Amino acid sequence: NAGVMQNPRHLVRRRGQEARLRCSPMKGHSHVYWYRQLPEEGLKFMVYLQKENIIDESGMPKERFSAEFPKEGPSILRIQQVVRGDSAAYFCASSPAGGVYNEQFFGPGTRLTVL
Amino acid sequence: AQSVSQHNHHVILSEAASLELGCNYSYGGTVNLFWYVQYPGQHLQLLLKYFSGDPLVKGIKGFEAEFIKSKFSFNLRKPSVQWSDTAEYFCAVNTGFQKLVFGTGTRLLVSP
Repeated sequence: NAGVMQNPRHLVRRRGQEARLRCSPMKGHSHVYWYRQLPEEGLKFMVYLQKENIIDESGMPKERFSAEFPKEGPSILRIQQVVRGDSAAYFCASSPAGGVYNEQFFGPGTRLTVL
Repeated sequence: AQSVSQHNHHVILSEAASLELGCNYSYGGTVNLFWYVQYPGQHLQLLLKYFSGDPLVKGIKGFEAEFIKSKFSFNLRKPSVQWSDTAEYFCAVNTGFQKLVFGTGTRLLVSP
């Protein structure tokens, strides 16, 4: 059973470009979470999605960041007009259902470097 | 807002030494508590979790953690570490919403 897949594993962008990070949840999981880890910091929650719905985006920056989880295909975290401060590791997690008792399974992360 | 503190940012131990990593959280209500581990080059894996019941929780690879409600703590322990325990350890809290609140992590280096 494949785990949570994220691609690319490493992404380099110049300031002003767009970054698209993909996350394929584990088979049978319909809930996806995105977290960001800045250097020397812990993971910070960004957004929680179910298929075609954003459930909680309280951790998303107000501008330039968006996320989607379409009916078909992976979840996408999109960062427009990237800046140096966006350099971080972005982790995706999935769970079979929502609720606090459902373990979140994490992917390997995408390391974004903005030049 | 909920927060999680891990006071030890870097820990260096020799093999066979005992390990205790501190984790404190700030939230007055019911919490679910987790310890995750990230081995070099790998993704986060769940070590153990506490939802309710016995406050002493046993996880994988010989790790255990004790929930002390009065101290808002959930410290991770292992009686005898191995070189293969070298990793970064994250404490996390879930306070009734789906999102996890993580501590800043503790990097453990075990020297052979």
